[in-house]
Amino acid sequence: AQTVTQSQPEMSVQEAETVTLSCTYDTSENNYYLFWYKQPPSRQMILVIRQEAYKQQNATENRFSVNFQKAAKSFSLKISDSQLGDTAMYFCAFITGNQFYFGTGTSLTVIP
Amino acid sequence: DAMVIQNPRYQVTQFGKPVTLSCSQTLNHNVMYWYQQKSSQAPKLLFHYYDKDFNNEADTPDNFQSRRPNTSFCFLDIRSPGLGDAAMYLCATSSRQGAYRETQYFGPGTRLLVL
Repeated sequence: AQTVTQSQPEMSVQEAETVTLSCTYDTSENNYYLFWYKQPPSRQMILVIRQEAYKQQNATENRFSVNFQKAAKSFSLKISDSQLGDTAMYFCAFITGNQFYFGTGTSLTVIP
Repeated sequence: DAMVIQNPRYQVTQFGKPVTLSCSQTLNHNVMYWYQQKSSQAPKLLFHYYDKDFNNEADTPDNFQSRRPNTSFCFLDIRSPGLGDAAMYLCATSSRQGAYRETQYFGPGTRLLVL
């Protein structure tokens, strides 16, 4: 079975500090895509960062970066210089072929 | 700006009264999805269209149906809403080609309340 696991239901971080959200997945496929999505309270789900499995280089988007370990099936998100606007639910997602899987989410609170 | 639009943003219906939620997109994506999201939970995929090819998730209740009359529009029909169907319904689109293939772009959602 293909699954996505986010083991941290809630996390908090001090403003300007760095935080890492974990995500592991299980699949027998070789070609797939991994995503982190952000859903602020009562607001729209937006893409944070994406990674294609065949690319070994870790994706980065400004303050957001991932640590993609394909052999370990791990896809963690690092947020540097955390800002109050980063407070949101973060979902890890995994897509292969016609199959789509979301993790249960990590609620991140940035503390002023 | 290219986007995913959902109407209405809030929908109130009565128990058992059919309701239709709509989604439109200006991204010209060939894939459209419908998700159900309950409070503080992950989105649950109900079904998706790849062009006109309909793909139903195995555990989606028969009470939920969908139509995609053209590339831009997709509808979610709930034939007999129950109290348990109260949720946020998210529409998303993606393309199977291009640099951002398989990336899903979400609409703002329709919050459904069943009385």
